[in-house]
Amino acid sequence: NAGVTQTPKFQVLKTGQSMTLQCAQDMNHNSMYWYRQDPGMGLRLIYYSASEGTTDKGEVPNGYNVSRLNKREFSLRLESAAPSQTSVYFCASQGSSYNEQFFGPGTRLTVL
Amino acid sequence: GENVEQHPSTLSVQEGDSAVIKCTYSDSASNYFPWYKQELGKGPQLIIDIRSNVGEKKDQRIAVTLNKTAKHFSLHITETQPEDSAVYFCAAREGNFNKFYFGSGTKLNVKP
Repeated sequence: NAGVTQTPKFQVLKTGQSMTLQCAQDMNHNSMYWYRQDPGMGLRLIYYSASEGTTDKGEVPNGYNVSRLNKREFSLRLESAAPSQTSVYFCASQGSSYNEQFFGPGTRLTVL
Repeated sequence: GENVEQHPSTLSVQEGDSAVIKCTYSDSASNYFPWYKQELGKGPQLIIDIRSNVGEKKDQRIAVTLNKTAKHFSLHITETQPEDSAVYFCAAREGNFNKFYFGSGTKLNVKP
C-alpha cells in the first residue's frame, strides 16, 4: 500500500497562473482533506470531503476549489494563484470518525 | 468555529527527561483530540489520541490527559530520546463534523 500520495512534490507558479494539486489514497477511506501549513500556524483546513460526491469548506477555502473525483482521488485547484498561497499543502484521508488521519508527504508551493 | 491554542512553541529537554506540551480548545462540543508528530520534510503522523469520554490514555512512553471542564489536554513524553525530536501538533475535532482544528505546533529538541 502506498497510503496517501501527492503530486507534485514541488511547484513554482507566477501570480495569476492556475494549477491542480493531486491526491490519491489506496486505503478505501471515505473522508479526505486538504490542509495548508504555514510557519507558526499549524495546519489549517481548506476543504474536506466526508464521502464520495460531497465536499465542504474548511477554515480557509477562499481562492481554492476541490473535486472528489472518486473514492480514491481528491484534487485541489488554484484558479489564479496569489503570493499569499505560498505554503506547504497536505492531503489526508480518514476511514471513520475516530480513526486517525493519514497524511501525504506534502506539496511545497511557491507563488512569485 | 473551534480555536486550539498550543504551548510552548519550542521545548528543549535533556535526553531522559520528561516533556509536556499543553493545548486548550474553545468548543465544548469537540469530542476527539489527536496528537501528531511531524519530522522534517514529512507529513504529520498520529502518535496518540483521546476521546472526550476518557480522562487519560497511555502508550508506552507517551500519554495524553484531557480535562473537559477546563477544556485543555496535554501530551506527556517520558524518558525522552533524541529520536523524539520533531514538531508536535495537537488537534480537536469539531462536534459531529469531520473538521479538525490544529494547534500551532511545538518544536521539541531532545539534547543527547
